[in-house]
Amino acid sequence: AQSVAQPEDQVNVAEGNPLTVKCTYSVSGNPYLFWYVQYPNRGLQFLLKYITGDNLVKGSYGFEAEFNKSQTSFHLKKPSALVSDSALYFCAVREERNTPLVFGKGTRLSVIA
Amino acid sequence: NAGVTQTPKFRVLKTGQSMTLLCAQDMNHEYMYWYRQDPGMGLRLIHYSVGEGTTAKGEVPDGYNVSRLKKQNFLLGLESAAPSQTSVYFCASSYRWEQFFGPGTRLTVL
Repeated sequence: AQSVAQPEDQVNVAEGNPLTVKCTYSVSGNPYLFWYVQYPNRGLQFLLKYITGDNLVKGSYGFEAEFNKSQTSFHLKKPSALVSDSALYFCAVREERNTPLVFGKGTRLSVIA
Repeated sequence: NAGVTQTPKFRVLKTGQSMTLLCAQDMNHEYMYWYRQDPGMGLRLIHYSVGEGTTAKGEVPDGYNVSRLKKQNFLLGLESAAPSQTSVYFCASSYRWEQFFGPGTRLTVL
């Protein structure tokens, strides 16, 4: 069965510093990986996805993620954090197109001015 | 395009009451999903549908029923609500790789 782990419940970073939100996955076949963001009292917004191709994926709002097959990881990164990036971030995986996404438990990012 | 919409946005029930949550999408997507979000648990799949007239169980289906009579609508029913069903419920639809989420329904069961 597929699964996702987000090892940090909370990440704190100073504004202007780089940020990383960690994600590792487990699938039996090829992984298709996603990051979503949730702002307070809102639904989930799509940030980026890895399907195939370059291991470095660029997404919305200046975020990027690096797919590492050997470490089964898909960490979310941003070179310079903004206070407005403070939100709940979810990593998700699926093994086939149009199958349900399996989500991690989420990581709360707090960017401090 | 309204995308994925959910009604109601908020609801308070007493234990044992029933209700139906409605999800509608105007993107002509075949696949639709119901998730619940609880603190520290992420999103867990309740039921999903791969097309009109079809439904399947997800990770946490007990206490819920669903119906997909029309392609654009996916209903989630609670026949006899329990306090353990207090949660935020999200509907989603998908096309190829991306899932599109509704704004959520916050349900409290007293």
